[in-house]
Amino acid sequence: EVQLVESGGGLVKPGGSLRLSCAASGFTFSNYNINWVRQAPGKGLEWVSSISTSSIYIYYADSVKGRFTVSRDNAKNSLYLQMNSLRAEDTAVYYCAVAAAGTGFDYWGQGTLVTVSS
Amino acid sequence: EIVLTQSPASLSVSPGERATLSCRAGQSVSSNLAWYQQKPGQAPRLLIYGASTRATGIPARFSGSGSGTEFTLTISSLQSEDFAIYYCQQYNNWPPYTFGPGTKLEIK
Repeated sequence: EVQLVESGGGLVKPGGSLRLSCAASGFTFSNYNINWVRQAPGKGLEWVSSISTSSIYIYYADSVKGRFTVSRDNAKNSLYLQMNSLRAEDTAVYYCAVAAAGTGFDYWGQGTLVTVSS
Repeated sequence: EIVLTQSPASLSVSPGERATLSCRAGQSVSSNLAWYQQKPGQAPRLLIYGASTRATGIPARFSGSGSGTEFTLTISSLQSEDFAIYYCQQYNNWPPYTFGPGTKLEIK
């Protein structure tokens, strides 16, 4: 069974930093591109970042470029999102999501809530 | 960036009836469009990919159609568990992946 478990969310002050993790199991993690998607309270879905299987290709939404850094450790079946210079508008549930080729985002974690507030 | 619009924003339908949800892309996305269902407090679930292919385990009452810029998700004979928010997503031209704003399907 595919499982994605996010962790690391919490309350942080504006300008602060947070590191999210996503632990994967039940599939060959190293074979898939992985994404971060966020959802602000009561709002829709926003793609944040993608990382390819061997970390060669990395992409960010304009809204987080220069502040967020995605990485992965295939040996540990884990994905990370380092979030710096956090703003109130970064407040959201952050999901990791697996993207198989040509199928959209097949599997999602349960999400972790990040709240940026003073 | 490809903008997706969904209509209607909300839809009230009685159990057992059919629901038709629309998604329009600002430019062609070929058939690289997915539909997701999201219930309160849950992560999105992939329903349809490739505009018309049901994901694993998705009931046959869910069907998708369209290509290019116009897409439809049809749910025949609505069940109580189908009342949720539905999002479309394009994965033809990325980054960025983009999602529509969602359609909230409510019980009438």
